[in-house]
Amino acid sequence: RKEVEQDPGPFNVPEGATVAFNCTYSNSASQSFFWYRQDCRKEPKLLMSVYSSGNEDGRFTAQLNRASQYISLLIRDSKLSDSATYLCVVTPLNAGNNRKLIWGLGTSLAVNP
Amino acid sequence: DARVTQTPRHKVTEMGQEVTMRCQPILGHNTVFWYRQTMMQGLELLAYFRNRAPLDDSGMPKDRFSAEMPDATLATLKIQPSEPRDSAVYFCASGSDRGSDTQYFGPGTRLTVL
Repeated sequence: RKEVEQDPGPFNVPEGATVAFNCTYSNSASQSFFWYRQDCRKEPKLLMSVYSSGNEDGRFTAQLNRASQYISLLIRDSKLSDSATYLCVVTPLNAGNNRKLIWGLGTSLAVNP
Repeated sequence: DARVTQTPRHKVTEMGQEVTMRCQPILGHNTVFWYRQTMMQGLELLAYFRNRAPLDDSGMPKDRFSAEMPDATLATLKIQPSEPRDSAVYFCASGSDRGSDTQYFGPGTRLTVL
């Protein structure tokens, strides 16, 4: 079983739709959680960190469920420009000063006009 | 606007040739990561440096790959000899262990080994 698992999709949604992605992680001691976004043929970029209390940034909401070991990303009122691959990322607790991240394979989103 | 830079952006070479990829981390960052990305495997960590010292290179094929940081402004990843299965996009990322775990990626080197 992979340490971080995501549904690869693709998710095809119309503009204005609400779409949600889930990501599960296997290490219950994981410490930090992130969503990165990667556009086609580009580098990954941080979208948002995921905090225990959940956090929101405009149309994007991230939530963490430690008991069930999953992270979610909700995109409201989706735009064409949201089309990308969304990568779930986890830092193990034993990382200490080692900032090694564990990456999911990504979920592909296509927002259609 | 501070960015990670990588050279070359594209490289096409023949099997058996040496390939060297270079990365300039963001000034002030003390952690550097080399990743390889393919469609099938996603992002794989090859090597990780902290304060120029290698901390983890367990993801790197030791017989043909080597990673170094000759100084704080330069990280290199070398493949010798290259093989067709090495064809992938190689990303360098940098960060700081004094803050969040955010990693900032360079644009990548797209390597094709014929």
